[in-house]
Amino acid sequence: NAGVMQNPRHLVRRRGQEARLRCSPMKGHSHVYWYRQLPEEGLKFMVYLQKENIIDESGMPKERFSAEFPKEGPSILRIQQVVRGDSAAYFCASSPYGANEQFFGPGTRLTVL
Amino acid sequence: AQSVSQHNHHVILSEAASLELGCNYSYGGTVNLFWYVQYPGQHLQLLLKYFSGDPLVKGIKGFEAEFIKSKFSFNLRKPSVQWSDTAEYFCAVNSGGSNYKLTFGKGTLLTVNP
Repeated sequence: NAGVMQNPRHLVRRRGQEARLRCSPMKGHSHVYWYRQLPEEGLKFMVYLQKENIIDESGMPKERFSAEFPKEGPSILRIQQVVRGDSAAYFCASSPYGANEQFFGPGTRLTVL
Repeated sequence: AQSVSQHNHHVILSEAASLELGCNYSYGGTVNLFWYVQYPGQHLQLLLKYFSGDPLVKGIKGFEAEFIKSKFSFNLRKPSVQWSDTAEYFCAVNSGGSNYKLTFGKGTLLTVNP
């Protein structure tokens, strides 16, 4: 059973460009979570999605950030007009329905030049 | 809002030494507690978790943690570390109605010298 997959593993963008981060949950998992880890910080919750629904986006910055988890395909975290402060590691996790335990992917390290 | 404190930023030990990593959380209600480990270049893996019951929890690879409610603590222990335990360790908590929302500490980097 493949684990949570994230791609790309490393992403370099210039200021003002768009970043798209992808997350494929474990097979059978219908819940996806995104976390961000800034340098010298712990992981911070961003958003919780189920298929075609955003359940909780209380951790998402109000502007430029959006997330989706379509009926088919991976979950996407999209950052428009990136700034240097967006440089971080972005982790995706998934869980089966009703489970407390989250399984994490390897993360995408975003560097904004 | 809940928070998690990990007291040590970097711990350096020799093989066979005993390990204890501190974790304290701030939340007065019912909590679920977790320790995750991230080996170099790999993803976060769950070491152990506490939901209820026996406050002494045993996890994988010889790790254990003790939940002390009166101290709001969930310290991680291992009696004898190995070089392969070199990794970053994260304590995390979730609670109440938002039991999907994990709050993480900043992590402790453990270096084990052979």
